[in-house]
Amino acid sequence: AQSVTQLDSHVSVSEGTPVLLRCNYSSSYSPSLFWYVQHPNKGLQLLLKYTSAATLVKGINGFEAEFKKSETSFHLTKPSAHMSDAAEYFCVVTPNNAGNMLTFGGGTRLMVKP
Amino acid sequence: NAGVTQTPKFQVLKTGQSMTLQCAQDMNHEYMSWYRQDPGMGLRLIHYSVGAGITDQGEVPNGYNVSRSTTEDFPLRLLSAAPSQTSVYFCASSRSGGALYNEQFFGPGTRLTVL
Repeated sequence: AQSVTQLDSHVSVSEGTPVLLRCNYSSSYSPSLFWYVQHPNKGLQLLLKYTSAATLVKGINGFEAEFKKSETSFHLTKPSAHMSDAAEYFCVVTPNNAGNMLTFGGGTRLMVKP
Repeated sequence: NAGVTQTPKFQVLKTGQSMTLQCAQDMNHEYMSWYRQDPGMGLRLIHYSVGAGITDQGEVPNGYNVSRSTTEDFPLRLLSAAPSQTSVYFCASSRSGGALYNEQFFGPGTRLTVL
């Protein structure tokens, strides 16, 4: 069985300050991990993915995430928030032996203050 | 390329009514799936298909039917709508090999309310 916990349902930052969105997972197998972003009233867009290559993964729009197996974490970071980053972010896990079965975290809503 | 399209965008049903949510993609993707999104629960997989003529159940399949007669289309049928099916529904597609190695492309969603 696999599960994903996003530790904060809401995160608020000021424009220009760092962003940290936290994600912990559990999986019976070596997992693949993803971050998706959903802007208001839109579908989901892939930000980045980890599939057992480099543990530090760079994504679009300046986001990156680090896979830490010992901590079962895959936190999403960005050095400097922009107003356009305001959205909902989902951490997603799939075990390597069942690539079609994505398990989503509950989501973190990021608010960016001017 | 239109990508993944869904119709309708909004729908209100009465309990017991049936309807079909449409999903189409023009990227020649083999893998398609349906999710429902509920507050605080992320997205949950309802049904998926790895190719025309092949479908399988996801995490929350009860009350829903799917079929895949063509590569392009993957409709989701609600047999007898219940208030618990009030949700936002997303269709997604990706190349063969499923979600593990390939990015899933999501449609804009259908917001369904069951009274």
